[in-house]
Amino acid sequence: DAGVIQSPRHEVTEMGQEVTLRCKPISGHNSLFWYRQTMMRGLELLIYFNNNVPIDDSGMPEDRFSAKMPNASFSTLKIQPSEPRDSAVYFCASSLEVPGTSGYKQETQYFGPGTRLLVL
Amino acid sequence: KNQVEQSPQSLIILEGKNCTLQCNYTVSPFSNLRWYKQDTGRGPVSLTIMTFSENTKSNGRYTATLDADTKQSSLHITASQLSDSASYICVVSHLSGGYNKLIFGAGTRLAVHP
Repeated sequence: DAGVIQSPRHEVTEMGQEVTLRCKPISGHNSLFWYRQTMMRGLELLIYFNNNVPIDDSGMPEDRFSAKMPNASFSTLKIQPSEPRDSAVYFCASSLEVPGTSGYKQETQYFGPGTRLLVL
Repeated sequence: KNQVEQSPQSLIILEGKNCTLQCNYTVSPFSNLRWYKQDTGRGPVSLTIMTFSENTKSNGRYTATLDADTKQSSLHITASQLSDSASYICVVSHLSGGYNKLIFGAGTRLAVHP
């Protein structure tokens, strides 16, 4: 398997522009995560999908951010309009969650290589 | 409040030496604890996952321990190599609404010098 695939790897854009980040999870995984990482704030979970349904989007900063997962093999994270403070590395990760006795048991998360976003 | 704190913030050691990284958490109800290694410019890679009933788990030269009573975990690196230079992130998972919610530590930046 190629692992989690993200595109683009780098994106430079001007403030106010729309940015779309893409992710292809590992085949067979049913959970997908979008993270943002900065020096100041470390790694932050933005949104988490299970079986294509958003489960936890409490980390999405504001209405300018939206994420979709139209099918099991593709997800997008969109920022519109982008601002300089959105500059960060955005990671997508996937895992397999299996039902357990007290809730879903999550197996290892596999991270993609990240998209380095710079908003000027 | 659910929190994960790691120490030290950064660490420099000489190649071949051992080191131990610490992780304290106040997360409830606890589901599992993971250690990730993140090389510069790359995504995190999972080293270990431990559930409540596990108190030690090894992955090569990496050994993680978990004390669920004191809510502490450590990651011990034996015979360090230059390639161990990376950030090590402790992540604690708790169940919320039947799903795992992840709480991240800020990481420990390790530099191994020749």
